[in-house]
Amino acid sequence: NAGVMQNPRHLVRRRGQEARLRCSPMKGHSHVYWYRQLPEEGLKFMVYLQKENIIDESGMPKERFSAEFPKEGPSILRIQQVVRGDSAAYFCASSQAWSGNQPQHFGDGTRLSIL
Amino acid sequence: DAKTTQPTSMDCAEGRAANLPCNHSTISGNEYVYWYRQIHSQGPQYIIHGLKNNETNEMASLIITEDRKSSTLILPHATLRDTAVYYCIAYYTGANSKLTFGKGITLSVRP
Repeated sequence: NAGVMQNPRHLVRRRGQEARLRCSPMKGHSHVYWYRQLPEEGLKFMVYLQKENIIDESGMPKERFSAEFPKEGPSILRIQQVVRGDSAAYFCASSQAWSGNQPQHFGDGTRLSIL
Repeated sequence: DAKTTQPTSMDCAEGRAANLPCNHSTISGNEYVYWYRQIHSQGPQYIIHGLKNNETNEMASLIITEDRKSSTLILPHATLRDTAVYYCIAYYTGANSKLTFGKGITLSVRP
């Protein structure tokens, strides 16, 4: 089984540009989670989505950040007008169901660098 | 979510068992104990989880005390590739609950 696929692995943007990060969950998984890891820090939850629905976005910055998980295709994390502080590793995870007994499986992340 | 506490670091010799402790004295009855690891800058890798009973899979064993206030992750035969940061997380699915990664414990496996 293919794991969680994220692309691109590395993304370089200039300040003010837009960044789009994609995540394809594991086969059979309909729950997607995005996390951000700043340099030398732990992972921080950003948003939890099911197909076509945002369930919990309590960890998302209020401005410039948005996420979607359409009926068809990958989940997208979009960052508008990027700033230097957005430089981080962004990880996506997926699970089969929203249950304490269902582990989240992670992709290898997208490293975003802002020039 | 219950807070977990782990030592900052530990090391063990290659081929020996690595026993990684975790305290979760405020864990609630519906919270699972999860272990993940992160090798260098890769994505977190799921290792194992449990609620009350001890669990074993191809990667590790999880021993949970009867009162559920602490647990130990056991890597039976550590290899150099097991060098990583290991995270112990108490997790359940409920309103506002989410996987919360602390600082973890850095395991160094020495040759």
